[in-house]
Amino acid sequence: AQSVSQHNHHVILSEAASLELGCNYSYGGTVNLFWYVQYPGQHLQLLLKYFSGDPLVKGIKGFEAEFIKSKFSFNLRKPSVQWSDTAEYFCAVKSRGNNRLAFGKGNQVVVIP
Amino acid sequence: EAGVTQFPSHSVIEKGQTVTLRCDPISGHDNLYWYRRVMGKEIKFLLHFVKESKQDESGMPNNRFLAERTGGTYSTLKVQPAELEDSGVYFCASSQGSGTSGYNEQFFGPGTRLTVL
Repeated sequence: AQSVSQHNHHVILSEAASLELGCNYSYGGTVNLFWYVQYPGQHLQLLLKYFSGDPLVKGIKGFEAEFIKSKFSFNLRKPSVQWSDTAEYFCAVKSRGNNRLAFGKGNQVVVIP
Repeated sequence: EAGVTQFPSHSVIEKGQTVTLRCDPISGHDNLYWYRRVMGKEIKFLLHFVKESKQDESGMPNNRFLAERTGGTYSTLKVQPAELEDSGVYFCASSQGSGTSGYNEQFFGPGTRLTVL
């Protein structure tokens, strides 16, 4: 079964700092990769996704992620965070042939103004 | 357009009781999913409906869990009898399209927080 690893489950940083959240997955076949975000009191929503093509994908709110196939990684980055980026971030993987998403444990990110 | 809604938002029950969670997907979405997050762990897939049919129920933990989607609209997830380890947040999601040909974004509901005492 595929698994998704996210480290540094709690991240605290100041506004304007750069953010990078790691995501590694274990699955040898073709995968689709996602980052979801859950802001306080809100639904999970899609931040960005990778299906094919350019391994550097850009999402909403200035986030981007890079797919490195050789490392089975899909790390999320934002060069300069804002207080409003305080949220929980989830990496997810979908394999070909089904629609189930496999999630990591999430990263709780707190941005201090 | 209304998003995915779930009811109730919170439920506190005693071990051995029955609880039914409801999910209303976005109108017109054929695909409906149930996920669960137990505290401190990852969000885990439970099952996937395409219209009223169970496409994939590989994530259902045991036979105390029963999911239905009569008529292919809203879905219910019943836990009977509930155990302590069933506590967690139950998410529902929906997406357009049918089956697994291609992929359409899953839109999530706010979740139901279930506490079993």
